[in-house]
Amino acid sequence: DGGITQSPKYLFRKEGQNVTLSCEQNLNHDAMYWYRQDPGQGLRLIYYSQIVNDFQKGDIAEGYSVSREKKESFPLTVTSAQKNPTAFYLCASSPQGPRTQYFGPGTRLLVL
Amino acid sequence: KQEVTQIPAALSVPEGENLVLNCSFTDSAIYNLQWFRQDPGKGLTSLLLIQSSQREQTSGRLNASLDKSSGRSTLYIAASQPGDSATYLCAVYEIKAAGNKLTFGGGTRVLVKP
Repeated sequence: DGGITQSPKYLFRKEGQNVTLSCEQNLNHDAMYWYRQDPGQGLRLIYYSQIVNDFQKGDIAEGYSVSREKKESFPLTVTSAQKNPTAFYLCASSPQGPRTQYFGPGTRLLVL
Repeated sequence: KQEVTQIPAALSVPEGENLVLNCSFTDSAIYNLQWFRQDPGKGLTSLLLIQSSQREQTSGRLNASLDKSSGRSTLYIAASQPGDSATYLCAVYEIKAAGNKLTFGGGTRVLVKP
């Protein structure tokens, strides 16, 4: 059953804590993306990766970090430097080139 | 910098009425435009993708048109059903020297009342 999985579905962060959101895909896609969605708004690009061991900053990368050690996995760490992390985080993947992106179910991050 | 706007932000219609959702973008040098559906608390599902050279795409009750020169796209949903209630987002894909990019509008939240 091919697709993109994100875990956990809900994540709670304490002040000053780093948290990591998981994103895994078995679609054999080269490119992977992380977006942030705030209530009533569209998606904003945090980081993207076109190939293993390479990634680029998106529009709102400050306070976030990523790694791409495996083709299937693109974890996102929300660091303590991100002062307003409460949002819905969506991971996506696509084949190389201008193709449609396939989205995971999302992780909702809340601050305690 | 590309900006994508969707108007209205929310729309409520009775079942059976046709839906018209609008999307505008500021830079017409796009590669393609996509319409997505998002159910509450869920990810996005691609509905239609229109290449910049195309004028429209159809899938079942859905029809999307693209006027690249004026920076507009319209999504039509015929004979709406309660199951069409969701948020609809449009996104434009650009190929730039600095990197390829998908830019999203803020979405239109649709409620179809039985």
